[in-house]
Amino acid sequence: QSALTQPASVSGSPGQSITISCTGTSSDVGSYNLVSWYQQHPGKAPKLMIYEVNKRPSGVSNRFSGSKSGNTASLTISGLQAEDEADYYCCSYAGSSTLLFGGGTKLTVL
Amino acid sequence: QLQLQESGPVLVKPSETLSLTCTVSGGSISSSSYYWGWIRQPPGKGLEWIGSLYYSGSSYYNPSLKSRVTISVDTSKNQFSLRLSSVTAADTAVYYCAKLGAYCTSGVCNYNWFDPWGQGTLVTVSS
Repeated sequence: QSALTQPASVSGSPGQSITISCTGTSSDVGSYNLVSWYQQHPGKAPKLMIYEVNKRPSGVSNRFSGSKSGNTASLTISGLQAEDEADYYCCSYAGSSTLLFGGGTKLTVL
Repeated sequence: QLQLQESGPVLVKPSETLSLTCTVSGGSISSSSYYWGWIRQPPGKGLEWIGSLYYSGSSYYNPSLKSRVTISVDTSKNQFSLRLSSVTAADTAVYYCAKLGAYCTSGVCNYNWFDPWGQGTLVTVSS
């Protein structure tokens, strides 16, 4: 199992929208609608932002949305705010009760 | 509100066994709908799934760690534990425990997302 591929960094200005991609294979992302996304601020535990590709947990802003096409899942953050600056990780079910994380993306709000 | 808290030694010597416990509060670890997991994060690096456990004892491990990992449950203490043997400096990381959520259809559930998480505990492997 290799880690899912995410861009190392993305950036955007306040109010803009950004998208973070998460590319896997036909054995993980491509086979299951079971991709989740986590936000992690420095020194803190990750926080669930999206699960099962496009579902938002209670309390997560609707500025966060998820989608998937083929072997690539995406997280979109609209109306970028300073507090969104953090690391973001995707995670996919990979069959046989195993899970695979992406390498992480650092979001900078300019 | 479910809360998880990791505990255990913060320093482990190379070749020894790392042992951590996750204590669950605000809910029963024996709930039929809950799976539990361990995830780690080396300093400055990304997240890595270690393994998952059902309260009955069914466990699943990351293939890259499977030969060294054991995850177990103690329902009487509402805790689950991680043991990682033959550690090296590469095992230095923040270790998190978390509850897994599931997608269920036709009686089959795939546990695939983590929420909530414990605060994490840094374990350093060094002599």
